[in-house]
This record gives sequence, structure tokens and C-alpha cells, in this order.
Amino acid sequence: AQSVTQLGSHVSVSEGALVLLRCNYSSSVPPYLFWYVQYPNQGLQLLLKYTSAATLVKGINGFEAEFKKSETSFHLTKPSAHMSDAAEYFCAVPRGSQGNLIFGKGTKLSVKP
Amino acid sequence: NAGVTQTPKFQVLKTGQSMTLQCAQDMNHNSMYWYRQDPGMGLRLIYYSASEGTTDKGEVPNGYNVSRLNKREFSLRLESAAPSQTSVYFCASSEKYQPQHFGDGTRLSIL
Repeated sequence: AQSVTQLGSHVSVSEGALVLLRCNYSSSVPPYLFWYVQYPNQGLQLLLKYTSAATLVKGINGFEAEFKKSETSFHLTKPSAHMSDAAEYFCAVPRGSQGNLIFGKGTKLSVKP
Repeated sequence: NAGVTQTPKFQVLKTGQSMTLQCAQDMNHNSMYWYRQDPGMGLRLIYYSASEGTTDKGEVPNGYNVSRLNKREFSLRLESAAPSQTSVYFCASSEKYQPQHFGDGTRLSIL
């Protein structure tokens, strides 16, 4: 069965530093993958979606993610962190044929001035 | 530009009380979902509805019931609330294989 692992429940970076949030999937190559962001007291918002059309996917707010089949990974990056990036980030993969998603446990990003 | 609307936003219940969480979407999506979010656990699927008239259990359905009232509305009912059901509940909607759109959540405390 498919599962998704996010390494690091908390990541702290300085403003202007590289952001790297890790996501690994467990099973066969998924047809698509998502990254979502959750700001305090809000629901989840879509950051970006991988659909096999391209291994490097660009999302909103300067984020991008690269799909690496050999590493079963879909890590999220941003070259330069901004204070407004402080939030919790979730990776999600499809569960089965119904279109349901399995979410990782989330990584909380803190940005220091 | 409402998207997914959840009511209420906050609720405090006593153990054993019942309540219904409401969810409505205006994007004409076929699929709707109920999740609970607990610290360190991510989002866990309670129930989903792949289309109007159908509902199915997710990962953590015990203690909950759902109703897909029509294409727009999908409600979640706690028949006899327990402290373990204290959580933040999110409703979402989507088309199959497309990104899910989330409401802002209902923060539920059960004393």
C-alpha cells in the first residue's frame, strides 16, 4: 500500500536561506503528487502538483519540487526563505482508484529574521 | 468566491452530546471528504463521497456518520461525542485526481 513520509517535523531556516522540505513515497510510482501549505488557523492550500509531464514542477510563492523516481522522492525547495513562508507543509499521494489522498504528517517551517 | 464553507468554526461539547458539522462547496465537484487533523498526525480521512448518493469509510470512521445531502453538501455527525474526538475537522472537495480544495476547518473541543 502506498504511504508517504516527511522527514523532519520541524525545520528552521534563516530569512534568505534555502528551504528544503523532504517527502518520500513508498510504493509504485504514483500518477501524481501534491504539496500543500497550511497557514495558522486556515485550511490547506495547493502549492504545486506533479503529474508526470515534467519532473521539475514550479508552484506558487517561488516554491518548486523535483520528482526523482530513483530516490522515490518529491522534495520541496525554495532558494530564499521569506518570513511569510512560515507555515506547515504537507506532501500527499493518491491512495487508490477513488482519488483519495494520503497525507504525510507535515513539516512545520520556521523562518528566523 | 466562497469555495468550501464549513460551519460552525468553533464548538465546545460535553461528552455524550451530539452534533453535526456542515460543509458546502460551490465548485460543482463530485467528490467530497471529511478529515480530522491532530498534532503530529497529519490529516486522516474519516469518510468520503465519490459522487452524490455514495459514501465510504476512510481511515478513522468509528464514532462518525456522514450524509451526502446533495452535490453541494456533505455533513459529518458525531452521535455521542467523546474526548478523543477533540480535533480540527476539515472538509474538502475535488474532481477525481484533481487537487482537493479545503475549507477553513471546525475546531471542536469535547469536555
